[in-house]
Amino acid sequence: NAGVTQTPKFQVLKTGQSMTLQCAQDMNHNSMYWYRQDPGMGLRLIYYSASEGTTDKGEVPNGYNVSRLNKREFSLRLESAAPSQTSVYFCASTDVLRESSYNSPLHFGNGTRLTVT
Amino acid sequence: QKEVEQDPGPLSVPEGAIVSLNCTYSNSAFQYFMWYRQYSRKGPELLMYTYSSGNKEDGRFTAQVDKSSKYISLFIRDSQPSDSATYLCAMTRISGNTPLVFGKGTRLSVIA
Repeated sequence: NAGVTQTPKFQVLKTGQSMTLQCAQDMNHNSMYWYRQDPGMGLRLIYYSASEGTTDKGEVPNGYNVSRLNKREFSLRLESAAPSQTSVYFCASTDVLRESSYNSPLHFGNGTRLTVT
Repeated sequence: QKEVEQDPGPLSVPEGAIVSLNCTYSNSAFQYFMWYRQYSRKGPELLMYTYSSGNKEDGRFTAQVDKSSKYISLFIRDSQPSDSATYLCAMTRISGNTPLVFGKGTRLSVIA
């Protein structure tokens, strides 16, 4: 049972390079999320997709784009990487939150550690 | 004022101690409250959740929510070295797919 799989695990980019972070989940979840985690800043939401075919900005969307390729896959693209985007990126998924019955926790991948020099 | 405030620590306690971790929040619309545990170089995993006010117990862990004070707590009894991790509080409103809002996390070390 793989859960949420992120690739790559590590990446080093030069300023201005582009790359796409991949995320796939095998739990048939509707909603998928991209977070970044920085020391002293906690988890900050970049973009999310409440369901297949929809995407919405989170707290820190600038410099990123996303694609909900299908129900399983949600990718995050950096078009022109900057040193400020050095971070650990987490993808997560969950089912729809239902009132009085929160029984579907947010499932996280193990992260992509990105360094931009 | 950020929506969710959490002391980042670090917090260091001896094995067997009772640990208290806390978060405060400003949005009175929050109804679901969660605690996630994150081990080094891993993604967060859900530890406990509560809906609205009250207490919930699971083994050595107890989660408390005081909505009147906008304050939530996680207590760990008989703490073990394996409890050493970062603990993140998270919360959200009731409706649909509203994303979780996370605290910054508290790093806990339990010393044998």
